[in-house]
Amino acid sequence: DSGVTQTPKHLITATGQRVTLRCSPRSGDLSVYWYQQSLDQGLQFLIHYYNGEERAKGNILERFSAQQFPDLHSELNLSSLELGDSALYFCASSVDPEVRTGNTIYFGEGSWLTVV
Amino acid sequence: DQQVKQNSPSLSVQEGRISILNCDYTNSMFDYFLWYKKYPAEGPTFLISISSIKDKNEDGRFTVFLNKSAKHLSLHIVPSQPGDSAVYFCAASARYGNKLVFGAGTILRVKS
Repeated sequence: DSGVTQTPKHLITATGQRVTLRCSPRSGDLSVYWYQQSLDQGLQFLIHYYNGEERAKGNILERFSAQQFPDLHSELNLSSLELGDSALYFCASSVDPEVRTGNTIYFGEGSWLTVV
Repeated sequence: DQQVKQNSPSLSVQEGRISILNCDYTNSMFDYFLWYKKYPAEGPTFLISISSIKDKNEDGRFTVFLNKSAKHLSLHIVPSQPGDSAVYFCAASARYGNKLVFGAGTILRVKS
């Protein structure tokens, strides 16, 4: 158990709908990262928040948005869903604002999203 | 663009033998490299890392080698055990980077 909690674990929804994925980081961690893993793809970086502020943005679609709240939990909002958005969405957390030598980021178990 | 590449989608090894997983990168700004292991229905878990100031780091059965001139790193598992069967991801970060860049992963199967 990494200490990173993601809900829901599984979600099936229709095209055009909107969903929210939730992440609670490890106790004491201020950084939250979101990654997407599609079939046969590696982990694609979406976005990084540190202590409520956006630090870096990756290949995140305009239909997707995220935020980190004062209690440090984070939500990833996916709207106007398409079939191609079906993927495993991971949240990860760490203490530091940057990935430094000697530290690492810890992943949750992921949220499986299926768009039908 | 794929800055971190794992060109072998899968690898099959006999129990007790050595497993060698390879990873190449293109970004010369990367200075910190990590390997993660992922079992089905679980999130990736950190395995071992190496800084660019080193060329080798060992942790038990796991050793990571870094060849900066070739922009190549490898993970050696000796001896391989059936419980090592998983997907292995190589990841890299640039100095003061705000993210880890991952490869596509290699499926390792250790046969008993």
